[in-house]
Amino acid sequence: EVQLVESGGGLVQPGGSLRLSCAASGFTFSIYSMNWVRQAPGKGLEWISYIGSSGTMLYYADSVKGRFTISRDNAHNSLFLQMNSLRAEDTAVYFCARVLGAPDYWGQGTLVTVSS
Amino acid sequence: EIVMTQSPATLSVSPGEGATLSCRASQSVTTNVAWFQQKPGQAPRLLIYGASTRATGIPARFSGSGSGTEFTLIISSLQSEDFAVYYCQQYNNWPPITFGQGTRLDIK
Repeated sequence: EVQLVESGGGLVQPGGSLRLSCAASGFTFSIYSMNWVRQAPGKGLEWISYIGSSGTMLYYADSVKGRFTISRDNAHNSLFLQMNSLRAEDTAVYFCARVLGAPDYWGQGTLVTVSS
Repeated sequence: EIVMTQSPATLSVSPGEGATLSCRASQSVTTNVAWFQQKPGQAPRLLIYGASTRATGIPARFSGSGSGTEFTLIISSLQSEDFAVYYCQQYNNWPPITFGQGTRLDIK
C-alpha cells in the first residue's frame, strides 16, 4: 500500500525556518517524481515545488522561489522541503504527493502556521 | 501560467441525481487534466487523469471528458459520500502546475 506521511509542521515566527519531511513507503520511491502542494486555511490547492526522481530536476512556484528548497533522499525514501524566510501567507497545510503525470497519491498533510 | 477556471463555484444537488462540473483552461492543455475530490480535513484524492481515465478504485459513476480548453466531470447518481469539493488541475504546460479554484458540491 502506498503511504506518504508528512511531518515537521508547527508554529513559527515570521522570518523563521522549518524543514518538512515526507516518508514514503509501499512503492519504489526512487523512480517517482514528487510534488509539494499547499492549502491555506479555507482556500484551494497551490502547487509549490517539484523534484524529479533523481533529484536533479527542480521547479518552484514564484511564491516560494528563493525561499524554499526541495530535496530528496532516495536511500531513505524521504522527501524534504526546507522553508526559510517564512511569511504569514505561507500558513497552510503542506501535502507531499507522488507524481505519475498527475499527483496520484497524497499524504495527509502537515500544518505550518506562521505567526508572531 | 495557465489559469484553470471551474464552474459553478457551488452546486447543490439531491442524492441520486447527477452533477456536471466544468473546468476551462486559459489555453490548450490537450488532455493533461486531472480531477480531485477533497473532503474536509482530508487530502485530495485523484479521481480522473488524462481528462477521462478513472484512477484506481474510482467508481464508474465518475466520468471525465474534454480536450483542449474545456473539461467536464460528471457524477451520475450522487451518493452521500460524493458531497465534497472538486478540483481540476492541468499538468500539460508547467511549471507551474495549476489548479482550478474548486467546485463545492452540496446536498440539496
